[in-house]
Amino acid sequence: RKEVEQDPGPFNVPEGATVAFNCTYSNSASQSFFWYRQDCRKEPKLLMSVYSSGNEDGRFTAQLNRASQYISLLIRDSKLSDSATYLCVVNIGGSNYKLTFGKGTLLTVNP
Amino acid sequence: DTGVSQDPRHKITKRGQNVTFRCDPISEHNRLYWYRQTLGQGPEFLTYFQNEAQLEKSRLLSDRFSAERPKGSFSTLEIQRTEQGDSAMYLCASSLQSDTQYFGPGTRLTVL
Repeated sequence: RKEVEQDPGPFNVPEGATVAFNCTYSNSASQSFFWYRQDCRKEPKLLMSVYSSGNEDGRFTAQLNRASQYISLLIRDSKLSDSATYLCVVNIGGSNYKLTFGKGTLLTVNP
Repeated sequence: DTGVSQDPRHKITKRGQNVTFRCDPISEHNRLYWYRQTLGQGPEFLTYFQNEAQLEKSRLLSDRFSAERPKGSFSTLEIQRTEQGDSAMYLCASSLQSDTQYFGPGTRLTVL
């Protein structure tokens, strides 16, 4: 089983749609969880951290289910500018430095 | 711009040549990381520095790769005797005593 596994995508949605990305991780000792966004040929940028209680930032909602080792990202009212690759990122095994990335899920929002 | 910077942004080299990349972290960030990203994959961890000490190296980092951070500020990543399989984006990130890592723009290496 891969350490971090994401929906393979790609996702093509119209503007205004709601889209959800799912991610599972294999190591139950993982401590920290993030969603990064990566535009084509650019560096990854932190979108949001994911907390056990769930967290929301505007149109973006992230949730963590430790029992199922599952992370999700929900984007509401999607914009053209949301088109990017979304990377699920886990701090595996409680180490405080090594991030393990999923392969990413490509989202294209169409007009 | 006070973000992470990397130089060069692009490097094309012939197989067998040595290349060196530089990373300047965000000022006062004591942690510095190198990752490698190939097409269609997420970044993969290569190595990590806390100040000038290199604390972990991935098994991906063969003996042709060496990284330094001599004064605990900028870092260099050298690849000796490059191979076509080394073609990738090499990303540097930095952080300050936390998990939040901020990435530089990367150096795209093409080995012919």
